[in-house]
Amino acid sequence: DQQVKQNSPSLSVQEGRISILNCDYTNSMFDYFLWYKKYPAEGPTFLISISSIKDKNEDGRFTVFLNKSAKHLSLHIVPSQPGDSAVYFCAASAGGGSNYKLTFGKGTLLTVNP
Amino acid sequence: DAGVIQSPRHEVTEMGQEVTLRCKPISGHDYLFWYRQTMMRGLELLIYFNNNVPIDDSGMPEDRFSAKMPNASFSTLKIQPSEPRDSAVYFCASRPGGGGSIQYFGAGTRLSVL
Repeated sequence: DQQVKQNSPSLSVQEGRISILNCDYTNSMFDYFLWYKKYPAEGPTFLISISSIKDKNEDGRFTVFLNKSAKHLSLHIVPSQPGDSAVYFCAASAGGGSNYKLTFGKGTLLTVNP
Repeated sequence: DAGVIQSPRHEVTEMGQEVTLRCKPISGHDYLFWYRQTMMRGLELLIYFNNNVPIDDSGMPEDRFSAKMPNASFSTLKIQPSEPRDSAVYFCASRPGGGGSIQYFGAGTRLSVL
């Protein structure tokens, strides 16, 4: 039973446009959410996070939006760059960030075309 | 800091053989995690340690899998005997104690069991 779902296995966008990656979750106890980026032959690296007390968190070109009522979060990348091409994982934890277990989605492969 | 170091990067073995994967966490990190990534199941947590003590091994698939952390700078994940369905990428991650959920991943070990 997937508690964190990334329903789009892949996404392709043009350089300079916006990339929107989506993530849904089913466990209402989740209260801290993270996005990781993964290049081939490398481990996932932390990108951005958001606590459930917020509905938006921004870091440069990356913004994460959280809709708690819909149990949905999204990652916006503006403008998209070819170097952003990677697999993006959504992850969630429960317990205010002090719970050390992360539940990951299966990932979305983003391809940014020059 | 060199980050989380995993070895070997690639392992090819035959069914029935013992496989040992190794991990050196980031110095000073109190928590260590072992994950497995497959196409079907995505990135799933196998086990995690706090201060060298196993805390949650509910993700370990079978008794063929075992993990140890003899000291703060070293952990192993062993599969004995290995089976073709164990073929996957195995990641080790670590994080410091305290609040926040960010984990730092190694580059992974790609295991192929023939």
